[in-house]
Amino acid sequence: DVKVTQSSRYLVKRTGEKVFLECVQDMDHENMFWYRQDPGLGLRLIYFSYDVKMKEKGDIPEGYSVSREKKERFSLILESASTNQTSMYLCASSHSVEMNTEAFFGQGTRLTVV
Amino acid sequence: GQNIDQPTEMTATEGAIVQINCTYQTSGFNGLFWYQQHAGEAPTFLSYNVLDGLEEKGRFSSFLSRSKGYSYLLLKELQMKDSASYLCAVIDSNYQLIWGAGTKLIIKP
Repeated sequence: DVKVTQSSRYLVKRTGEKVFLECVQDMDHENMFWYRQDPGLGLRLIYFSYDVKMKEKGDIPEGYSVSREKKERFSLILESASTNQTSMYLCASSHSVEMNTEAFFGQGTRLTVV
Repeated sequence: GQNIDQPTEMTATEGAIVQINCTYQTSGFNGLFWYQQHAGEAPTFLSYNVLDGLEEKGRFSSFLSRSKGYSYLLLKELQMKDSASYLCAVIDSNYQLIWGAGTKLIIKP
């Protein structure tokens, strides 16, 4: 059974804290993604990676960074958490560079910044 | 800019048929996905269309018209468990996935 696992289901952090969200996939996928999902806005891409140590900015990278030291692991870092980063964060992975294969999603991390 | 439009919410009756529409304006087109997302859960893959026409998979079918920038997801014999959000996503010319905001489908007995 294929799996994308996110380290936390729920997180509460204080403003200004550095926050790490971890994601691991067991499908040997090249592509990995971090999205945030807010009501009425759909999925917005923060960063993605198509290979180890490679990263590309998505639509809303400001305030975030990522790390991909190993193929199976893609980490999202909030350098200094702010209340407007309160959101549902979804990690996903897929196989094809052309993006024409399904993406598998983790269960999501609901982050609250207070 | 790139845009995907879906109705925000739809209501249907158990046992009935519902059609969820998706229109898109994107820089190029390389395929379209439909995903299902139950409340508080991750999206899961339903269908993929790259050529015009209807793809049928059990109770769910997905249609694509590239010339009209239009797709729909057809759900037949609705069950209560079909209550979920349905997300439309398009692959653009740069092989980026562009997501719609999703349609929340409410099924009533």
